[in-house]
Amino acid sequence: GAVVSQHPSRVICKSGTSVKIECRSLDFQATTMFWYRQFPKQSLMLMATSNEGSKATYEQGVEKDKFLINHASLTLSTLTVTSAHPEDSSFYICSARDPDYNEQFFGPGTRLTVL
Amino acid sequence: QKEVEQNSGPLSVPEGAIASLNCTYSDRVSQSFFWYRQYSGKSPELIMSIYSNGDKEDGRFTAQLNKASQYVSLLIRDSQPSDSATYLCAVGNYGQNFVFGPGTRLSVLP
Repeated sequence: GAVVSQHPSRVICKSGTSVKIECRSLDFQATTMFWYRQFPKQSLMLMATSNEGSKATYEQGVEKDKFLINHASLTLSTLTVTSAHPEDSSFYICSARDPDYNEQFFGPGTRLTVL
Repeated sequence: QKEVEQNSGPLSVPEGAIASLNCTYSDRVSQSFFWYRQYSGKSPELIMSIYSNGDKEDGRFTAQLNKASQYVSLLIRDSQPSDSATYLCAVGNYGQNFVFGPGTRLSVLP
């Protein structure tokens, strides 16, 4: 299957700082990428859909000013958690859709811990 | 609202048995169906996709689709302890977001 990378894999930060997570599709061009959050023992929660060259579409209840998404190229989307707080600690996972096959591939995830 | 339902489990099967995972969906016009495997602490991994009614086999995995019944299943033959994971069903249409089910936790007992 296609490869999606995510960086960093783990980050620990102090409360109030901002954290940027990068998601890259390595062997296909992804016009659409997705950002999910998953708390321990819970289901995937879609946060937002990121479309190349346009504004992201956020799910209900997700603060767009807190979770900034940029999809500046066909292979890169970034999620910035601004002014992170301990309740933002979670497993953040991106995915990218391969338009040729309509299949969605996930990155390895970023585990964020806010102290 | 489009919904995808799965039994949360855990589904426990002995090693070597067949594990049967089921999924139902509400959007009758759905065209694409996927099964993902997620190990604890890891991200989901695509293991099967199916688009037409009937069976699709890949190694020990068989996906079954019945659009009339809005039902898709995954069979795992000769289950191994390494198959213990959460299995996510996803349903979608071209150009639209996938809808994921909550997942079924499978435990294969040695």
